[in-house]
Amino acid sequence: GESVGLHLPTLSVQEGDNSIINCAYSNSASDYFIWYKQESGKGPQFIIDIRSNMDKRQGQRVTVLLNKTVKHLSLQIAATQPGDSAVYFCAERNQAGTALIFGKGTTLSVSS
Amino acid sequence: DSGVTQTPKHLITATGQRVTLRCSPRSGDLSVYWYQQSLDQGLQFLIQYYNGEERAKGNILERFSAQQFPDLHSELNLSSLELGDSALYFCASRGDSSGNTIYFGEGSWLTVV
Repeated sequence: GESVGLHLPTLSVQEGDNSIINCAYSNSASDYFIWYKQESGKGPQFIIDIRSNMDKRQGQRVTVLLNKTVKHLSLQIAATQPGDSAVYFCAERNQAGTALIFGKGTTLSVSS
Repeated sequence: DSGVTQTPKHLITATGQRVTLRCSPRSGDLSVYWYQQSLDQGLQFLIQYYNGEERAKGNILERFSAQQFPDLHSELNLSSLELGDSALYFCASRGDSSGNTIYFGEGSWLTVV
């Protein structure tokens, strides 16, 4: 079945460091992946997405890398700031192409 | 602000009861999704509607049902509530012009006691 998982439930970094959050997915036919950020008490917010025909996509301070060979997705955050503290979810589009299937999330804690 | 509005924000009810959660999608978005978020299960996809019609079902229990009305707002009905139904319920919407990105509301926090 479809499942998306993350390697580590928590990640602690110092302000200014680069953060890397990893995600493994199971459906090799998935063609679309997305990262969301969820702050305490709020709904998930879109960060960045990537299609399976790409290996890398960059946004503002964030980069998503996709390795289809090992079914691995990562989110890199440059110069991490305290405001980046949140739970980060990766998600893939389901086989029917109708919904997003989420992993369980990684809690990023940034200390100053 | 994502533009997706959910009510109520918090709800406490007893086991066996029934509740209705309401969602107003972003203006013009035809797709509405419902997700359940609990501590041990993460974000679980429940159901999707598109322009009033059910489009996809996920891990939605038979005690739960949803509908989307002509004005595109949606309701999630939870009945015969159990303690394990305590969770955060999110509504999300997507427009035909927004690609694959879905936009989440702030959620409705349900506590069953």
